[in-house]
Order: sequence, then structure tokens, then C-alpha cells
Amino acid sequence: DVKVTQSSRYLVKRTGEKVFLECVQDMDHENMFWYRQDPGLGLRLIYFSYDVKMKEKGDIPEGYSVSREKKERFSLILESASTNQTSMYLCASSFRPYRGGEETQYFGPGTRLLVL
Amino acid sequence: AQSVTQLDSQVPVFEEAPVELRCNYSSSVSVYLFWYVQYPNQGLQLLLKYLSGSTLVKSINGFEAEFNKSQTSFHLRKPSVHISDTAEYFCAVSLNTGGFKTIFGAGTRLFVKA
Repeated sequence: DVKVTQSSRYLVKRTGEKVFLECVQDMDHENMFWYRQDPGLGLRLIYFSYDVKMKEKGDIPEGYSVSREKKERFSLILESASTNQTSMYLCASSFRPYRGGEETQYFGPGTRLLVL
Repeated sequence: AQSVTQLDSQVPVFEEAPVELRCNYSSSVSVYLFWYVQYPNQGLQLLLKYLSGSTLVKSINGFEAEFNKSQTSFHLRKPSVHISDTAEYFCAVSLNTGGFKTIFGAGTRLFVKA
């Protein structure tokens, strides 16, 4: 079974702090994604990566950056946390870099971030 | 641009009753369609997907969805729900012209009552 793990289930940070969210997948997937989930808005794509060191902006990249130094690990960085970044953050991965649209995404359990 | 609309934010239903969760999409090109389920305190997992071929697709736990191209819909149905089906359900679309972007709907919370 594919396993996607996220470093923390719950996180509380202060405004202005730099926050790192880590995601690791164990199935040698090419693609990795970071979403935020908010009630009534569903999932919105922040960034995705289709290869090591490659990244593409999603729909809401402002205030975030990402890092993918190894294939299995994809990090989301909040450069200076703000209260409007309080949310559930979900990491996902999928296979096959050139046929991305039809591939199932496998999700981690999520990190619930509270910024005070 | 693609978009996904889930017409009901919450659906309460009694155990063993039938249920339908509605999903409509818009796209100028052909799409792939997905339903994902999120159980409490968990990430999303795939329930079923339509890529091509038969328009009726089924999951292993009794859900089914039918792709209706003329109505641009992909409604999810189950003839008899269980308490354990209580979860949030997300409809999603992605383009079949390549690329990685999947658009998710806002979600429908299904509450199954005893």
C-alpha cells in the first residue's frame, strides 16, 4: 500500500514564525502536491512537483514556498506565518509524470495548523 | 477553465436508506472524473474514478457513479447506506489532455443516522 506521511498532525505557531511542513511518500511516486483544505472551499492547490528540484505554482502560492531535494520528500514552507494561513494542509502523491491527469492521488492524514 | 460544483454541502440520511451526492462540472475539453472520501481525522482516499469506457463505475463498498456527458454530471449513489459511510465526499476533475492539475469540489458531508 502507498503510504504518505506528514510530520505533524497538529501544529500551533505564532504570527511571523517560519513554519516547515514535511511530507514523505514511500512508493517512488514522481508527483507530489500540497493542498490546503478549508470548510466550504474544498481543496486548493498550493504547489506541486513532478520531479526532484522541480516545482510549479498552484492556485494559491502566495505566502508559501516548497522544496523537493529528494524524490520521496516534499516540504511546504510558510515564510512568515499569518493568521489567515490557519488551515488543514494535505500532502498527496501520484505516479507517472507524463500522464498526470488520470492518476489517483494518495493523501497523507493532514496537518492542522493554527497560527496565533 | 474547469470548475466543479457539489450541489449539497450536507446530506443527512437514515441508515439503510438510499443516497445521492450530486456533482456537476464544467470544462471545454474532455475530463477524468473522481470521487474521493475523507473519513474523520484522515486524509482523502479514492472511492472511484471514470477515465473512459463504461459510463457507470463502481466502488468495492457499494457506491457507484455515472458519467453523464450531456448533463456534465457525475453523481454518486448508494442504494443502502451504513453508519460507517459517514464522511466527507469530494468530487474532482482533471483534464485528459495531460497535466497534473485536479480541481476539487467543496465537498459534501454525509451524515448517516441510526
